[in-house]
Amino acid sequence: EPEVTQTPSHQVTQMGQEVILRCVPISNHLYFYWYRQILGQKVEFLVSFYNNEISEKSEIFDDQFSVERPDGSNFTLKIRSTKLEDSAMYFCASSSRLRNTGELFFGEGSRLTVL
Amino acid sequence: AQSVTQLDSQVPVFEEAPVELRCNYSSSVSVYLFWYVQYPNQGLQLLLKYLSGSTLVKGINGFEAEFNKSQTSFHLRKPSVHISDTAEYFCAAYSGNTPLVFGKGTRLSVIA
Repeated sequence: EPEVTQTPSHQVTQMGQEVILRCVPISNHLYFYWYRQILGQKVEFLVSFYNNEISEKSEIFDDQFSVERPDGSNFTLKIRSTKLEDSAMYFCASSSRLRNTGELFFGEGSRLTVL
Repeated sequence: AQSVTQLDSQVPVFEEAPVELRCNYSSSVSVYLFWYVQYPNQGLQLLLKYLSGSTLVKGINGFEAEFNKSQTSFHLRKPSVHISDTAEYFCAAYSGNTPLVFGKGTRLSVIA
């Protein structure tokens, strides 16, 4: 069964460092998303991406964040200068939107710890 | 904008007892509803979904949920829980004009 894969599973970084989280969406999906979950809190939408551009972003997704689809398979989330409050689990998701039902397929997540 | 409320942050229940995890969504003309499960140190796995049709939806691992439009609810139920059901459960809603929105989650703890 096709699945969304994410790397790394866990990354520890120093405050102020750049971090890139990588995702390989399901191959025939066209819509890509990043969500995050701060420990003990709800899963929050960050950004959606379609046709090589951001289609929607939340107020959390400020100038420190960027997304990119550098090739035909990867979808990355970059945090330019990490802050302590960026520590969270980051989930990548994809969908085909053949039927626009909002159903997303999630990866296992990348846990980011900022020290 | 769509919102999802999970009133119970934690639900402890004894093994083999029934359980209900509550979820309410803000009213919308059309809404699609989901329950995701997150086992310890794992990602989000789709448990079940309501898109249309029968209001009683069956999912994996013996879970089911009922869509109640008049009460704007989508409560998750299981008649007999197992230790392995211990996890975080998230209700989510999509109404076509915003991204999928999650509730705060309910931590189900099954006690032997």
